[in-house]
Amino acid sequence: KQEVTQIPAALSVPEGENLVLNCSFTDSAIYNLQWFRQDPGKGLTSLLLIQSSQREQTSGRLNASLDKSSGRSTLYIAASQPGDSATYLCAVRRSGANNLFFGTGTRLTVIP
Amino acid sequence: SAVISQKPSRDICQRGTSLTIQCQVDSQVTMMFWYRQQPGQSLTLIATANQGSEATYESGFVIDKFPISRPNLTFSTLTVSNMSPEDSSIYLCSVGEGYGYTFGSGTRLTVV
Repeated sequence: KQEVTQIPAALSVPEGENLVLNCSFTDSAIYNLQWFRQDPGKGLTSLLLIQSSQREQTSGRLNASLDKSSGRSTLYIAASQPGDSATYLCAVRRSGANNLFFGTGTRLTVIP
Repeated sequence: SAVISQKPSRDICQRGTSLTIQCQVDSQVTMMFWYRQQPGQSLTLIATANQGSEATYESGFVIDKFPISRPNLTFSTLTVSNMSPEDSSIYLCSVGEGYGYTFGSGTRLTVV
């Protein structure tokens, strides 16, 4: 069974700082990996999707990398803003499966 | 990407009653899923909603407790039956399209 872990569980940074969120997964036979953002009590917003054949994806201030062989992904947020405060979830789709396996999330607080 | 309308957005229900959650998608999709997010936890897949056939349930979830309908490729419902306080969670509908997944805004259920 695929297990997904995210470190740290919570992170608090001053505005403007660059930061890295980590995601690790146990089964490297993945189809793709997706990063989501979740605001309190809300649904999920997709941030970035990385295919298993890709090494990274970028969108604005966000950059996600994937190292399938080591079972790791990172989400890099540049020049953090208070509006970035949310929980960030990493989710993995296994090869041959249709559903996602979610990590435990990193709760980010950006202090003005 | 697909736009998902999920309702109700929240509800407070008495124990022993049932609640039906609706998920409407603005385009036809093959893959539709229901997830549960218990307080402070990450997302867990309840079942895959199959059009024209019975839903496929994950370990720990049964049809009698979480009956699912999928009458066409744009609509699904999840019923939480005979509710107890342990069913208090956020329930999310998700569709798979292309390579990634899109989520509804969620239904926040509180059972008293």
